[in-house]
Amino acid sequence: AQTVTQSQPEMSVQEAETVTLSCTYDTSESDYYLFWYKQPPSRQMILVIRQEAYKQQNATENRFSVNFQKAAKSFSLKISDSQLGDAAMYFCAYRSLAYSGAGSYQLTFGKGTKLSVIP
Amino acid sequence: AAGVIQSPRHLIKEKRETATLKCYPIPRHDTVYWYQQGPGQDPQFLISFYEKMQSDKGSIPDRFSAQQFSDYHSELNMSSLELGDSALYFCASSLGNSDQPQHFGDGTRLSIL
Repeated sequence: AQTVTQSQPEMSVQEAETVTLSCTYDTSESDYYLFWYKQPPSRQMILVIRQEAYKQQNATENRFSVNFQKAAKSFSLKISDSQLGDAAMYFCAYRSLAYSGAGSYQLTFGKGTKLSVIP
Repeated sequence: AAGVIQSPRHLIKEKRETATLKCYPIPRHDTVYWYQQGPGQDPQFLISFYEKMQSDKGSIPDRFSAQQFSDYHSELNMSSLELGDSALYFCASSLGNSDQPQHFGDGTRLSIL
């Protein structure tokens, strides 16, 4: 079974500064997806960024980028030019790529990191 | 764009009662996932359906059952409710045989008194 570990329960960042959230995972699979989801106080689960393990290039989405180190099983999220609206709980998640024929690819989440943005 | 619709948004029940949560996936999505997120916890996978058949099962109690209907909407039925069932219940949908990510609904907040 896969496990996802987020070792930082809480982080804070000054507005306009950069912050990096850490995530490590354990798997015996060679192909998989990794995700960062954002959950603001409104409780929605919003997809921030996705990384395919077979791609060496790190994914980026505007101010959000990842540092994917496959050998180290590390998947950190960097938020640049932090904004007040970035304050939320951030979850790292793993999804298998292996197709079992059943069409089910449930997500395994880490415990989350609560990010506060200081004005 | 249409999103995943969950109803009700909030639900209050007493111990030993039953509850039914509903999920309407994004049009053309054939796969539905249910997750349970306890207070201050990460979401835990409960069960999933693909093309109206159960495709995988996680940490779902025997008191819970679910199904996916012909129009692809899904219902999570919960019986003999316990205080520990108080949680946020998410439904997510996706295209089963694709690499597209899951899209989450806004969740149903279930409170057991």
